[in-house]
Amino acid sequence: SSELTQDPAVSVALGQTVRITCQGDSLRNYYASWYQQKPGQAPVLVIYGKNNRPSGIPDRFSGSTSGNTASLTITGAQAEDEADYYCNSRDRSGHPVFGGGTKLTVL
Amino acid sequence: QVQLVQSGSELKKPGASVKISCKASGCTFASCTLNWVRQAPGQGLEWMGWINTNTGNPTYAQGFTGRFVFSLDTSVSTAYLQISSLKAEDTAVYYCARSSSGYDSWAGYYYYYMDVWGKGTTVTVSS
Repeated sequence: SSELTQDPAVSVALGQTVRITCQGDSLRNYYASWYQQKPGQAPVLVIYGKNNRPSGIPDRFSGSTSGNTASLTITGAQAEDEADYYCNSRDRSGHPVFGGGTKLTVL
Repeated sequence: QVQLVQSGSELKKPGASVKISCKASGCTFASCTLNWVRQAPGQGLEWMGWINTNTGNPTYAQGFTGRFVFSLDTSVSTAYLQISSLKAEDTAVYYCARSSSGYDSWAGYYYYYMDVWGKGTTVTVSS
């Protein structure tokens, strides 16, 4: 099992706000990075650092950290946001590690 | 614009070896850290390790030592993942990804992220 814990599945009504969380001790010292993956596609970085979005990522995506929990928030979820979301931080050996992923369903 | 172009799908028999390539363009190859990530069918992402493209020094995650080898050919800006003694459980999509890392001294936090990904190479191991 991963040292980063994510809820396996989350759902949100179209246009509403959803928060996807990631828990782990390393998050007290390392920012999480967040990746969106749609079926049959490579992951895409959506949030990194304190709360940075790569070029092309809509501003409805935001990130935050509090204690041992990192959150990815989608404000006004769209149908195209339905995907798997993975957080990434460090394990006890200091190596990168992914959370187990959260499947987001937009209703 | 940085791009990572991976080699095509592979079908191998158990016990064989496979070598996957990841060609970088749009960046100074020696300044890229390239990661390898595995995704087994229906499963999540698994970080396999990385290779420092400046020194050629590889780092392997636990569970990816022995049969897995990262290498470089800097003359063609290409990283390689070789897997030997293939097993059925090696069936997966393998991604290469460029990463960046650093320290936010104001906040006291380290950061690390993989911002450019290849499209993935599917390796199928079947008799």
